[in-house]
Parts: sequence; structure tokens; C-alpha cells
Amino acid sequence: GQNIDQPTEMTATEGAIVQINCTYQTSGFNGLFWYQQHAGEAPTFLSYNVLDGLEEKGRFSSFLSRSKGYSYLLLKELQMKDSASYLCAVRSYQKVTFGTGTKLQVIP
Amino acid sequence: EAGVTQFPSHSVIEKGQTVTLRCDPISGHDNLYWYRRVMGKEIKFLLHFVKESKQDESGMPNNRFLAERTGGTYSTLKVQPAELEDSGVYFCASSQAQLSGNTIYFGEGSWLTVV
Repeated sequence: GQNIDQPTEMTATEGAIVQINCTYQTSGFNGLFWYQQHAGEAPTFLSYNVLDGLEEKGRFSSFLSRSKGYSYLLLKELQMKDSASYLCAVRSYQKVTFGTGTKLQVIP
Repeated sequence: EAGVTQFPSHSVIEKGQTVTLRCDPISGHDNLYWYRRVMGKEIKFLLHFVKESKQDESGMPNNRFLAERTGGTYSTLKVQPAELEDSGVYFCASSQAQLSGNTIYFGEGSWLTVV
């Protein structure tokens, strides 16, 4: 089976930087996704990592270390609209399993 | 290009009734997934179709749930008879056939309330 852990909640200040960590244990690792989900809406794709290293996309970056079973999502220059749940999802073969999500609250 | 569409968006039914949820994936996407999120818990995998075949249905909770994808296009998820614990949001997602690097796109979800 798979085990995915991420913090339940985080709070950060507008304009700041926040890092959301995700650790996982799985067999047949085939990629890690980060999704953003606002309350009452569908998850939307943020990033995909399958090789070790950092992927940067605007204000969002995602890092992966396969040997450590570890990823993080880095959000820079936080905006109020970034308040949402951030879901770490691990693909094993073709099955994608989600973590519980980290609820991020951005405060003024 | 149309995204993943789901119908109905909201449904309220009584315990014991039947509900059928429909998902239309993005055109050309062979992979179709059903997920469910119940209140306060994580999104949980239900099953995965590749074209019309069930690739993995290990997440289906019990035999009250039946998923089909005849013809490899749209899919339906039927709950019969519905129980109170079936309440939640049912998400459908799709992706292309390639194994690596492809994004999984989600629909808006079907919000089911069983009373």
C-alpha cells in the first residue's frame, strides 16, 4: 500500500514564502503531483515531479527526492487567493493516491 | 477544449434510493478515474478505467457501487441502494494514455447527499 503524510494546516502571511512538505512510502513510484483545491471546487493541477530536483513555475516550485520519499511545494509572494488546500498525490504504476491535504490560510 | 464534465453537480436522495453519476472525460483520454471525498477526509481512489476496461477497482467500497465505461467514452457510477455514509463528493478525472508526464484533469465533482 501507500502512505502519504503532509501537515494538516498551515498559516502564513501575505507576501511571505511557505513550504508545504509531503513524505511518502510506496512501491512502483511513478511521479508525484501537487494540486490546489479551493473549498467547493475541483482540484487543479500545480506541478508534477518524476525526477529528483526542483521544478519552478512562476510563484510555485516543487521539489522531489525519490531516495528520501520527500517532496515539498514552495509558494512565494503569497497572495490571499492562495488560501486553499494543497494536495500531494503519488502515482504508483498508474494509480494515483492522495494525501489528506494541507489547508493553507494566508493572513494579511 | 472541454474539460472533464460531471453530472449531476448536486444530488440529494433518500437512504435506499439509487443514484447514477455520469462522467465525460476529456476527448481522447484513455484513462478515467473515480475518486471520492467524504467530509473532512482525504480524496480516496475508487477505480481506474483504461478505455473500457477496469484497470484497478481496489478502492470500490462494496458491491453497492457499480462503475461502467461502455465504449470507452463516458463513465457512470451507480450507487444502489445508497446509504448515509455514501454522502460526499465524487470526482472524476482523466488523463492521456502516456505513462509518464501526463496531467490528471479533474471534473468539478458530483456532490451527493444521502438523507
